[in-house]
Amino acid sequence: KQEVTQIPAALSVPEGENLVLNCSFTDSAIYNLQWFRQDPGKGLTSLLLIQSSQREQTSGRLNASLDKSSGRSTLYIAASQPGDSATYLCAVSDDYKLSFGAGTTVTVRA
Amino acid sequence: DTEVTQTPKHLVMGMTNKKSLKCEQHMGHRAMYWYKQKAKKPPELMFVYSYEKLSINESVPSRFSPECPNSSLLNLHLHALQPEDSALYLCASSQEWRPDGGGYTFGSGTRLTVV
Repeated sequence: KQEVTQIPAALSVPEGENLVLNCSFTDSAIYNLQWFRQDPGKGLTSLLLIQSSQREQTSGRLNASLDKSSGRSTLYIAASQPGDSATYLCAVSDDYKLSFGAGTTVTVRA
Repeated sequence: DTEVTQTPKHLVMGMTNKKSLKCEQHMGHRAMYWYKQKAKKPPELMFVYSYEKLSINESVPSRFSPECPNSSLLNLHLHALQPEDSALYLCASSQEWRPDGGGYTFGSGTRLTVV
């Protein structure tokens, strides 16, 4: 059974600092990995989708890397802003379901 | 249109009420999902519809009844719910129901409170 872990569970940084969020998974036979953002009480917003054949994906200030063999993905957010404060979830697709991590809650202090 | 639209955004219902949640997408996705999310927990899968047919029911109590009237619409009918059913209900869709079926698009959710 796939286990997805996100460390740290919470992170607080001053504005302008770069963010590094980690996601690890136990079974490397995945098809893709998706990073989501969730604001309190709201739905999930897809940030980046990395296919298993890809090493990284970029969108604006966001960059996500994937190392399938070691079961790891990292989400980098450059030059953080208070508006980046949210919970970030990673999810892997290795079967007919998504397996989610518990999320990292980020607070960016102005 | 790249969105999944859920209505209503908020719902308060009594334990004897019957209500429905609605989800709509116009991206041509053939897989649609219902998830339940409790506070500070990741989403948990409830149902999967593929090509308008129920493909997975994750042992969800019968007081939750899903329906997929067409390829764009997904409903969740609620009846005789319990207070512990209070949660954020999320709808999602993907191109196909398969592990490499593309990424998931989620709606903004319905915040359900059972009193």
